[in-house]
Amino acid sequence: KNEVEQSPQNLTAQEEEFITINCSYSVGISALHWLQQHPGGGIVSLFMLSSGKKKHGRLIATINIQEKHSSLHITASHPRDSAVYICAVSSTGNQFYFGTGTSLTVIP
Amino acid sequence: DTAVSQTPKYLVTQMGNDKSIKCEQNLGHDTMYWYKQDSKKFLKIMFSYNNKELIINETVPNRFSPKSPDKAHLNLHINSLELGDSAVYFCASSHNRFTQYFGPGTRLTVL
Repeated sequence: KNEVEQSPQNLTAQEEEFITINCSYSVGISALHWLQQHPGGGIVSLFMLSSGKKKHGRLIATINIQEKHSSLHITASHPRDSAVYICAVSSTGNQFYFGTGTSLTVIP
Repeated sequence: DTAVSQTPKYLVTQMGNDKSIKCEQNLGHDTMYWYKQDSKKFLKIMFSYNNKELIINETVPNRFSPKSPDKAHLNLHINSLELGDSAVYFCASSHNRFTQYFGPGTRLTVL
């Protein structure tokens, strides 16, 4: 079993829809990361959080440490949001674990 | 002005060869990383390194070795390349293990 599980694996949404991607982890963490990988392959770090909630533009990330769960929300989704979203955790043992990614397609 | 750069972008080589991938960051970060992304797009960390500590993912074969000539560089050396080494390799850097900045990736193909 993977230390980090993401759902859904694939997601297709209509433009303007509200999108949620979930991430659950099983190890003790010092931080959780949300990454975005564009179709061209480049990886961008969206958020790093260890508690609460962070917001950047139309993106919101939340984490519940007790439940070992994080969500990434995209409001008013747009076709340019189409990408793979990857959840990763920095464990307290100084290791990194990655989810398998959620492939998002936003249709105009 | 590229924050994290990698060279080469593409690398095609024969099995058994030894090759290196270079990574440079101009952000003044103290920690650098190497990741491998396989054909199924699954990312896995290989190494993290700062001037005090090298952390190796125990699943990484010892044919892979990071070399850091200075704080701004972390090169990846691979000996005796195997077919299964074909993947995209990403370098990244961060300050005090905070937000990571990724390089553009190096696509390695072993024939």
